[in-house]
Amino acid sequence: SAVISQKPSRDICQRGTSLTIQCQVDSQVTMMFWYRQQPGQSLTLIATANQGSEATYESGFVIDKFPISRPNLTFSTLTVSNMSPEDSSIYLCSVETYTQYFGPGTRLTVL
Amino acid sequence: GQNIDQPTEMTATEGAIVQINCTYQTSGFNGLFWYQQHAGEAPTFLSYNVLDGLEEKGRFSSFLSRSKGYSYLLLKELQMKDSASYLCAALDSNYQLIWGAGTKLIIKP
Repeated sequence: SAVISQKPSRDICQRGTSLTIQCQVDSQVTMMFWYRQQPGQSLTLIATANQGSEATYESGFVIDKFPISRPNLTFSTLTVSNMSPEDSSIYLCSVETYTQYFGPGTRLTVL
Repeated sequence: GQNIDQPTEMTATEGAIVQINCTYQTSGFNGLFWYQQHAGEAPTFLSYNVLDGLEEKGRFSSFLSRSKGYSYLLLKELQMKDSASYLCAALDSNYQLIWGAGTKLIIKP
């Protein structure tokens, strides 16, 4: 299994600001994913982070709002830009080895 | 369209057995996952089924019927710490995970 860490674990941000979430894996992985989980709901895939190319975004998510970096096979960042209260959520990164493992999540509150 | 259905909430008694059902409709199928998620925490992997039948892992078992598009997670000898949400997810032909909304399991003493 993969060990995944995320920073920050939680943050409270002001409307209109941006926050970058970091995801670090203890081994090289091909596939890294970013999910959002709003209170009481299931996981929604934001995008797949590809090493060496642009991320692949799901319907309803755009690069200008959620820019992603994937500089190498063990690291990725997700930025939540120009935040609004609707962006308050838990953001999770995950990796796929034989199965999908999740980081501990970043709990974001936007005031 | 692709869809996963599972009950929203279930209640069971400590020491008892509970079965959480999941039905799926996906474009192609490459397996069915169950994850456990405690409140405020990330999901953790429980099981993966790709062939028909029952997979047993300690107190937890998972069953799959591909012809029926159906799976269940069986939890035996329930403990209070089993109170959590249980997420069913199916892997489609593009190896994309389609997630259910989760079943909140409440364990009562």
